[in-house]
Amino acid sequence: GENVEQHPSTLSVQEGDSAVIKCTYSDSASNYFPWYKQELGKRPQLIIDIRSNVGEKKDQRIAVTLNKTAKHFSLHITETQPEDSAVYFCAASIKGSGGSNYKLTFGKGTLLTVNP
Amino acid sequence: DAGITQSPRHKVTETGTPVTLRCHQTENHRYMYWYRQDPGHGLRLIHYSYGVKDTDKGEVSDGYSVSRSKTEDFLLTLESATSSQTSVYFCAITTGLPGDTQYFGPGTRLTVL
Repeated sequence: GENVEQHPSTLSVQEGDSAVIKCTYSDSASNYFPWYKQELGKRPQLIIDIRSNVGEKKDQRIAVTLNKTAKHFSLHITETQPEDSAVYFCAASIKGSGGSNYKLTFGKGTLLTVNP
Repeated sequence: DAGITQSPRHKVTETGTPVTLRCHQTENHRYMYWYRQDPGHGLRLIHYSYGVKDTDKGEVSDGYSVSRSKTEDFLLTLESATSSQTSVYFCAITTGLPGDTQYFGPGTRLTVL
């Protein structure tokens, strides 16, 4: 089955700096890569996603890049703010019509701390 | 929040007792999932459902069972709770095809003493 590795497990940056979180996946058939943000005591919430026919996607200060050849994808946060402090999870899946293509496989998470 | 609720939100129970957690959705989505979240392990899939009475196991299904008798409700049962099942449990739904974006419920914090 799919295996997703996420690095680093913790990341501390100064407010205004950039933060990068990287994930690798094992199944070359994976075609959907979402990122979730989880604040303390809250549910994971989708912040951005990318599909395999796209190499990069941006949404304001957040961007995700995908390298299908190398099987890795990254989350980039620019101009970090204290409210960006949270745990971030990457995930990978094979979006399909059924069968075993049902699930997201998550990385173990990155605790991002943005220091004022 | 995709109309997902979970109950109870918090529960403390004793080893050996049965526990049922409920996930309720209001939008008739076909695919529903149960995860547990533990420090250092991220989100691990317990069971999922692809329709009424259609369920299957995830990666950490031992000690858990599920039922889905109607579209809107997906129940997770711990037949005989153990301390290793102390965790935060999240329900999720997919609004599209399987493997697509998942939206999570608010979670249930379960403590087994």
